[in-house]
Amino acid sequence: GNSVTQMEGPVTLSEEAFLTINCTYTATGYPSLFWYVQYPGEGLQLLLKATKADDKGSNKGFEATYRKETTSFHLEKGSVQVSDSAVYFCALIWTGNQFYFGTGTSLTVIP
Amino acid sequence: EAGVAQSPRYKIIEKRQSVAFWCNPISGHATLYWYQQILGQGPKLLIQFQNNGVVDDSQLPKDRFSAERLKGVDSTLKIQPAKLEDSAVYLCASSPIGGGEKLFFGSGTQLSVL
Repeated sequence: GNSVTQMEGPVTLSEEAFLTINCTYTATGYPSLFWYVQYPGEGLQLLLKATKADDKGSNKGFEATYRKETTSFHLEKGSVQVSDSAVYFCALIWTGNQFYFGTGTSLTVIP
Repeated sequence: EAGVAQSPRYKIIEKRQSVAFWCNPISGHATLYWYQQILGQGPKLLIQFQNNGVVDDSQLPKDRFSAERLKGVDSTLKIQPAKLEDSAVYLCASSPIGGGEKLFFGSGTQLSVL
């Protein structure tokens, strides 16, 4: 079946540190891959996506590359800010428009 | 553009009581989803509507959960009777036809069952 496994948190970083949140997936065929973010008190919102192998999604300084050979979609940012503090969810979509979400990784950035 | 609206924001009930949640999707969005997010877990799909028809309700505990979207616009999710393990955030999301790869989420309803 389809599933997403992401790195457990919580993650605490100092401002301007480098961020990596690991995500690997299991799926038949070639799903589309996503990172969603949930800021405190808000709903989930799309951060970035990639729809085929070797695609790189990017937004707000965050990047993730669709790696078919390692079935991964790791989220990276070169220099985090306090405003990046949130919960990050890796997700995939396959047939039927059904999303499969990871368990989420909480990030806290301290000044 | 108005986002996905959900109410109430919080609800506290005792076990065996009933509860209902309401969702109004973004105008024009044909697809509506209800997700359950238990603390420490990712959102799990409960039910998916396309207009007023059910596309997928395979993970909906039908002995206690029900949902409807009678006019293909807003939707109601009901739990009757509630159990302790139903404590979670219930998220509503919508997407336009052909835009199924992007979900727009509401802020959710946080349910505590005591």
